[in-house]
Amino acid sequence: AQSVTQPDIHITVSEGASLELRCNYSYGATPYLFWYVQSPGQGLQLLLKYFSGDTLVQGIKGFEAEFKRSQSSFNLRKPSVHWSDAAEYFCAVGSGGYNKLIFGAGTRLAVHP
Amino acid sequence: NAGVTQTPKFQVLKTGQSMTLQCAQDMNHEYMSWYRQDPGMGLRLIHYSVGAGITDQGEVPNGYNVSRSTTEDFPLRLLSAAPSQTSVYFCASSPGQTYNEQFFGPGTRLTVL
Repeated sequence: AQSVTQPDIHITVSEGASLELRCNYSYGATPYLFWYVQSPGQGLQLLLKYFSGDTLVQGIKGFEAEFKRSQSSFNLRKPSVHWSDAAEYFCAVGSGGYNKLIFGAGTRLAVHP
Repeated sequence: NAGVTQTPKFQVLKTGQSMTLQCAQDMNHEYMSWYRQDPGMGLRLIHYSVGAGITDQGEVPNGYNVSRSTTEDFPLRLLSAAPSQTSVYFCASSPGQTYNEQFFGPGTRLTVL
């Protein structure tokens, strides 16, 4: 069965530091992979997605993610974190067509000034 | 263009009561879905619809009913609320049947006593 694992429940970084959020997936075929961000009290917003092609994908707000098939990973990165990046981040994999998504449990990011 | 709207924002029910969570989108999207978000579990798909008159079950459909009489609206019904249905509910919509971006509503926080 398809699944998504985000190993880190909480991460705290200092403003200006680099960030990497981990995501591992289990999926038999070529995966469709997504990162969403949820600010407090808000719905989810798409940061970036990977369907095929270049394994390094660029997203909004300065985020990027790299698809590594050999490691079944799709880690999210940002070179310099801003205080406004404090939020919860969800990795998801497309499952079974029709835009059905399986989400990871999420990683909550705190940013220290 | 309001995007995806959900009402109410907050709701408290007693066990056994029924209610309908409303979801509407004004983007003419074919695909709509309902998710529930619980701490440590990410988002889980309840029901989805690929067009007016067509609905199907997701990962956690028990206790919930849906219908899709128009493209714009996709209400979620709880026939007999249970404490296990305490959660935050998100509606999402997406154009087409491929893995396009899903646009999420702001959510409904439901508490069942």
